[in-house]
Amino acid sequence: GAGVSQSPSNKVTEKGKDVELRCDPISGHTALYWYRQRLGQGLEFLIYFQGNSAPDKSGLPSDRFSAERTGESVSTLTIQRTQQEDSAVYLCASSLTGQGGEKLFFGSGTQLSVL
Amino acid sequence: AQSVTQPDIHITVSEGASLELRCNYSYGATPYLFWYVQSPGQGLQLLLKYFSGDTLVQGIKGFEAEFKRSQSSFNLRKPSVHWSDAAEYFCAVGAAGYQKVTFGTGTKLQVIP
Repeated sequence: GAGVSQSPSNKVTEKGKDVELRCDPISGHTALYWYRQRLGQGLEFLIYFQGNSAPDKSGLPSDRFSAERTGESVSTLTIQRTQQEDSAVYLCASSLTGQGGEKLFFGSGTQLSVL
Repeated sequence: AQSVTQPDIHITVSEGASLELRCNYSYGATPYLFWYVQSPGQGLQLLLKYFSGDTLVQGIKGFEAEFKRSQSSFNLRKPSVHWSDAAEYFCAVGAAGYQKVTFGTGTKLQVIP
């Protein structure tokens, strides 16, 4: 596609429910990243994919968070048993090869609100 | 571990005035350094990046940044700010061969007439 696409753009859920956030990277981009942006804070690295493998999962906050990627395409970030502190904007980015120093192309994010 | 500090949470400047946003990084080797901008309702966009060569880097929208190794800084500058520059600016650090890019907490820029 022309840019990184994320869906839904907004998600309101009740505490304890599971949510799935989707990211469709730019076609041909092998690297994909998930970041979390809490209100008034910077971007918090969650995970990145090189192809469909995830060499670095160090940023996932807890075992309630998981992510997968099919091939070099769509990625899904799943949050189980959501908590109020999970409320944030979840940003996805992709880059062509994943080499250090590459420009990241960001989506518009998914605003998650946990009531 | 790499880290980035943006000491200014919020800055207000008058339209037409000069701007400098501060960024300090921590990394053992020569880092990749970036500035991204997040305008209201829009995704993050790369303004400029530095890895090697000339320490003064030119970016889009009239922005520039200077790498100072001795001060571990990569400050963003613009000679004359426009109202459309109001946005949040993020400094980031990465490393060759290592794909994780670490972002600072951001500086929100307000431009007044």
